[in-house]
Amino acid sequence: NAGVTQTPKFRILKIGQSMTLQCAQDMNHNYMYWYRQDPGMGLKLIYYSVGAGITDKGEVPNGYNVSRSTTEDFPLRLELAAPSQTSVYFCASSYRPTGRTTEQYFGPGTRLTVT
Amino acid sequence: GQQLNQSPQSMFIQEGEDVSMNCTSSSIFNTWLWYKQDPGEGPVLLIALYKAGELTSNGRLTAQFGITRKDSFLNISASIPSDVGIYFCAGQLGNAGGTSYGKLTFGQGTILTVHP
Repeated sequence: NAGVTQTPKFRILKIGQSMTLQCAQDMNHNYMYWYRQDPGMGLKLIYYSVGAGITDKGEVPNGYNVSRSTTEDFPLRLELAAPSQTSVYFCASSYRPTGRTTEQYFGPGTRLTVT
Repeated sequence: GQQLNQSPQSMFIQEGEDVSMNCTSSSIFNTWLWYKQDPGEGPVLLIALYKAGELTSNGRLTAQFGITRKDSFLNISASIPSDVGIYFCAGQLGNAGGTSYGKLTFGQGTILTVHP
């Protein structure tokens, strides 16, 4: 299993451009999450999905959109990129959290700079 | 929203020393997790705690779920150079399968540097 994969690893955007960060998992996990990590800060949840076709906002959703057409893929879309979106973005997945199974597996991250 | 305060923010220690870090919250959590992040990588789960008062070990790492359910502690014994990285605590509110949907609240991280 490749686990959680993310592309690209690095990207520089100009203000106002848009892009899609790709995330895929091959563990047949129902739940998927997008986080952003700013320097000196913990991870903040942007969006999450509990299954194909179902998504919901996290703590910091403004400026982002997501879709979940398949179990495996959970792309994050940035429209009209702004400098405040400069961050490292992590995708994570887990089985449906039941009882003690709450472990989230993280991808390697995408480092995005908006100038 | 919920906030986790993690301390210390950074630590510089000699190889062989023990390390302690903690996380406190204004809210009660039902699950506490400790993650480690190596440079350029995503966080990796070290220890998960599911019950107040629970003490769990993973090799040289020991973590405890505070009795009040508002704090957690991580200890690393006999540190080695590969312990270098950022350690995050994370809390989860509800029981799995409930309205929390597995969502985690993360602390700011503790940056650990180990001098050989």
